[in-house]
Amino acid sequence: EPEVTQTPSHQVTQMGQEVILRCVPISNHLYFYWYRQILGQKVEFLVSFYNNEISEKSEIFDDQFSVERPDGSNFTLKIRSTKLEDSAMYFCASSERSTRNSPLHFGNGTRLTVT
Amino acid sequence: RKEVEQDPGPFNVPEGATVAFNCTYSNSASQSFFWYRQDCRKEPKLLMSVYSSGNEDGRFTAQLNRASQYISLLIRDSKLSDSATYLCVVILNTGGFKTIFGAGTRLFVKA
Repeated sequence: EPEVTQTPSHQVTQMGQEVILRCVPISNHLYFYWYRQILGQKVEFLVSFYNNEISEKSEIFDDQFSVERPDGSNFTLKIRSTKLEDSAMYFCASSERSTRNSPLHFGNGTRLTVT
Repeated sequence: RKEVEQDPGPFNVPEGATVAFNCTYSNSASQSFFWYRQDCRKEPKLLMSVYSSGNEDGRFTAQLNRASQYISLLIRDSKLSDSATYLCVVILNTGGFKTIFGAGTRLFVKA
């Protein structure tokens, strides 16, 4: 069964550093997403991406965050200057159509630890 | 009021028990509904969609009550492998579609 893959599985960085989290969505999916989950808390939406542009973003997704689809397969989340509170599990997801009718397929996640 | 509310549990049940989870949502613009399960420190995985007429998938039954704005999940004949956190997910139509996750209900099934 096709999968969403994410790298790295764990990233440790110092406060103020830039990080790039990488994702390869399922190949025939058109919608891509980033979510985060702080330990012990609920899954929170960050951003959705369709047709090479952001379609929705949450209040969490401020100027420190950006997304890119640099080629036909990768989908990246960049955090420009990490803060301690950015420590969380970051999940990439993709869906065949918009989420109204098409469920999300999640990657295994990248655990980001900011020290 | 939270957009999606779930009883956090935990629910501790013996193998073979029937257990039910409820979820309430506050926004009447909610259009689609799903149950996901999440194992500890893993990604959420789709368990089932929830349809207006109710739907069943093996031991799992999902129901939707739009008038009362709640969704339920019933698990029959619980297995040890059902131990997980069950996430209620609601899709809002806000012009685009916004996905809201509940905080989840933890289930422990004991031998």
